[in-house]
Amino acid sequence: DAMVIQNPRYQVTQFGKPVTLSCSQTLNHNVMYWYQQKSSQAPKLLFHYYDKDFNNEADTPDNFQSRRPNTSFCFLDIRSPGLGDAAMYLCATSRVKLGEQYFGPGTRLTVT
Amino acid sequence: DQQVKQNSPSLSVQEGRISILNCDYTNSMFDYFLWYKKYPAEGPTFLISISSIKDKNEDGRFTVFLNKSAKHLSLHIVPSQPGDSAVYFCAASERGTYKYIFGTGTRLKVLA
Repeated sequence: DAMVIQNPRYQVTQFGKPVTLSCSQTLNHNVMYWYQQKSSQAPKLLFHYYDKDFNNEADTPDNFQSRRPNTSFCFLDIRSPGLGDAAMYLCATSRVKLGEQYFGPGTRLTVT
Repeated sequence: DQQVKQNSPSLSVQEGRISILNCDYTNSMFDYFLWYKKYPAEGPTFLISISSIKDKNEDGRFTVFLNKSAKHLSLHIVPSQPGDSAVYFCAASERGTYKYIFGTGTRLKVLA
């Protein structure tokens, strides 16, 4: 089945230690998104790629970066995680901008 | 400032009865609305959408109603089934933008 895969599902990192979360898709969608969701809060868009065109939300911290080496893969890099970065990170794809979004299961990040 | 609000964090409904989930928004430029359903340990999945040119959209047991003057939309599930127990997110997009703004979700529990 075509799907959005996120690895790992659970990630524990130390305060200040860089961490990378990965997302892959078999849907061949043009758009890939990264959301951050903290407990009992709404998913918050961090950035998205339309093909190779990167779009950063204005309030996304500089600590967060992303790479999309090809259509299938997208990475979220957190350069120096703080305790406040502990959250669920959701990857999503859509065929076109503002199309129906398909979400991966998420990676729960813990910062110790 | 939360532009999309789901004021009921949880809702319990008896199996076979109607579930009504509500969502309010503040941005009059929103013109496309979606509902997502999320099971534990899974990503959100698309359920139903509505454009601002309509006031109702129906898909099987699921109906979304949009009241633009009140900036309110609701999701009706009839009849409710235990498998509908999940967290439901409302999301909205603004004309000319590329992104969805999500609400904080409502946890629905359908009692057998």
